[in-house]
Amino acid sequence: EAGVVQSPRYKIIEKKQPVAFWCNPISGHNTLYWYLQNLGQGPELLIRYENEEAVDDSQLPKDRFSAERLKGVDSTLKIQPAELGDSAVYLCASSPNSGNPETQYFGPGTRLLVL
Amino acid sequence: AQSVTQPDIHITVSEGASLELRCNYSYGATPYLFWYVQSPGQGLQLLLKYFSGDTLVQGIKGFEAEFKRSQSSFNLRKPSVHWSDAAEYFCAVGGQAGTALIFGKGTTLSVSS
Repeated sequence: EAGVVQSPRYKIIEKKQPVAFWCNPISGHNTLYWYLQNLGQGPELLIRYENEEAVDDSQLPKDRFSAERLKGVDSTLKIQPAELGDSAVYLCASSPNSGNPETQYFGPGTRLLVL
Repeated sequence: AQSVTQPDIHITVSEGASLELRCNYSYGATPYLFWYVQSPGQGLQLLLKYFSGDTLVQGIKGFEAEFKRSQSSFNLRKPSVHWSDAAEYFCAVGGQAGTALIFGKGTTLSVSS
């Protein structure tokens, strides 16, 4: 079974440019998470989807960040415009939401460097 | 407030020696506890988890962890460390299905020969 797929793995952009990250969760997993991992820190939730609905986006900086999961499968996270402080690892995770409790499975992450 | 504390930022262990990584949590509901490992440039791999039952749980790569409710701790152990265990280790706590995990800041493990 394929794991969580993310692309690109690495991205270097100049500040004020837009950038987008893509995530394909494990097949059949209804819940999808985007986490932000700053250098030397643990991951922190940006947004959580149940199917196509964003059920927790309280930590998403909505002035510059947006996300979508149109068909309830893959998801895109966008930053526009990017700032120097956005340099970090963006992790996508998924879980089946089939019971209580359950494990979240993580993708390899996208490493963003903003110059 | 819900939080996870990993008191040790960096630990160095000799190859073949035993290892214990500390984790303390604060969580308002029934805690479900996880240890993940992250190698350089990689994502998070699940080592083990505690949901209920036996408080000593076994994981992959020879790791184990013990849940102590009275101490709000979930320490990770390994009897004999291998050089390939060098990585960053994250403790996390979560609640019901679909809730976000709360992570500690991680402990970096170095293995000396």
